[in-house]
Amino acid sequence: QQQVKQSPQSLIVQKGGISIINCAYENTAFDYFPWYQQFPGKGPALLIAIRPDVSEKKEGRFTISFNKSAKQFSLHIMDSQPGDSATYFCAASLYSGGYQKVTFGTGTKLQVIP
Amino acid sequence: NAGVMQNPRHLVRRRGQEARLRCSPMKGHSHVYWYRQLPEEGLKFMVYLQKENIIDESGMPKERFSAEFPKEGPSILRIQQVVRGDSAAYFCASSPPGLATDTQYFGPGTRLTVL
Repeated sequence: QQQVKQSPQSLIVQKGGISIINCAYENTAFDYFPWYQQFPGKGPALLIAIRPDVSEKKEGRFTISFNKSAKQFSLHIMDSQPGDSATYFCAASLYSGGYQKVTFGTGTKLQVIP
Repeated sequence: NAGVMQNPRHLVRRRGQEARLRCSPMKGHSHVYWYRQLPEEGLKFMVYLQKENIIDESGMPKERFSAEFPKEGPSILRIQQVVRGDSAAYFCASSPPGLATDTQYFGPGTRLTVL
């Protein structure tokens, strides 16, 4: 019940195209859904996040779409650039015991080709 | 405004040795989390600590692994008698004190290789 399923495992997109990564969760108690970006040899960095009372959040070229009834959320990267090539992790967290306990998806390796 | 610092960045140990991984949280942060990332996998929660207290160690293997966050100094993740299956990237994250802190800030990780 604590799993977060992420797809696809890898993605190749042409420069200027749209990258879409999907995630699904089971536990309806999750109350915060962040996306992290990780470059090789680096730690994950928070990219964008959404709460379940909002259906969409946009920050620059990055948009999260959230479907509470389907328990699914996705990351859209518009006008994808080679510099966006990284591994993206969706996550879901639950505030319990005084802190946010985060469950990560398995990651999507994005490659944007010129 | 230094970020979360981890050292060493790379650690090589032979089977049976001990590995000590250190994490210095961001300034002002009193909450520390440790995660393990196996190759081609996501991050798995291991343990959550506040100063001098282990709050949640539900993701930590029962044997050989321990963590501490002393009043002074960095948080330490200790792995005794390492085995090849311990080879992974270990990430530390920190967050500030307070209620419902949403964002965890990650360090660059320590990549442990067990020969």
